[in-house]
Amino acid sequence: DAKTTQPPSMDCAEGRAANLPCNHSTISGNEYVYWYRQIHSQGPQYIIHGLKNNETNEMASLIITEDRKSSTLILPHATLRDTAVYYCIVRGPIQNYGGSQGNLIFGKGTKLSVKP
Amino acid sequence: NAGVTQTPKFHILKIGQSMTLQCTQDMNHNYMYWYRQDPGMGLKLIYYSVGAGITDKGEVPNGYNVSRSTTEDFPLRLELAAPSQTSVYFCASSRWTDYYGYTFGSGTRLTVV
Repeated sequence: DAKTTQPPSMDCAEGRAANLPCNHSTISGNEYVYWYRQIHSQGPQYIIHGLKNNETNEMASLIITEDRKSSTLILPHATLRDTAVYYCIVRGPIQNYGGSQGNLIFGKGTKLSVKP
Repeated sequence: NAGVTQTPKFHILKIGQSMTLQCTQDMNHNYMYWYRQDPGMGLKLIYYSVGAGITDKGEVPNGYNVSRSTTEDFPLRLELAAPSQTSVYFCASSRWTDYYGYTFGSGTRLTVV
């Protein structure tokens, strides 16, 4: 089962910031928070990941709470092309994972609809 | 730089037939993965490989086989296809550390009738 909880759907106005929440209350100390998105049946696309500090790249920002039990993905200026399903995934670092390495557990994610 | 290439994009298979889904990457990634995605659901890991000659089962391996003879290629074999294997199959790859995330292919949509 997925270790994260996300709302099933969200709407956002074009040009506004999209804030996608994720709860991961059972996260372990060495587990990272990853975000991927999937645009209409295409392969998932990596967005960003973080451990405990806030992270920013050219696509988005990731805000992780101090207790690390929740996080928010921020798309600063959403466009229609950002309409997609967004997945929040918790997992250990790949080189230390052992067992089923690389097992990104994808839940159902949040379907973000950006509207004109 | 093509990334991860999957073939075919679509295929219809009859019950009991076998086929191989092809996956190749040109990024010299050590790690490769096969996922399936059923309608309205998330992705589930079928098999993965940490390098040439090394493969292991994921969450839903039954009915599938893989091989990894080269770094570039990671084919997925379906034996005795069943309707339950109707799904979209995604191949992915990553470096030894996934700091840059996984790179996914565009998928193979398979229907078993």
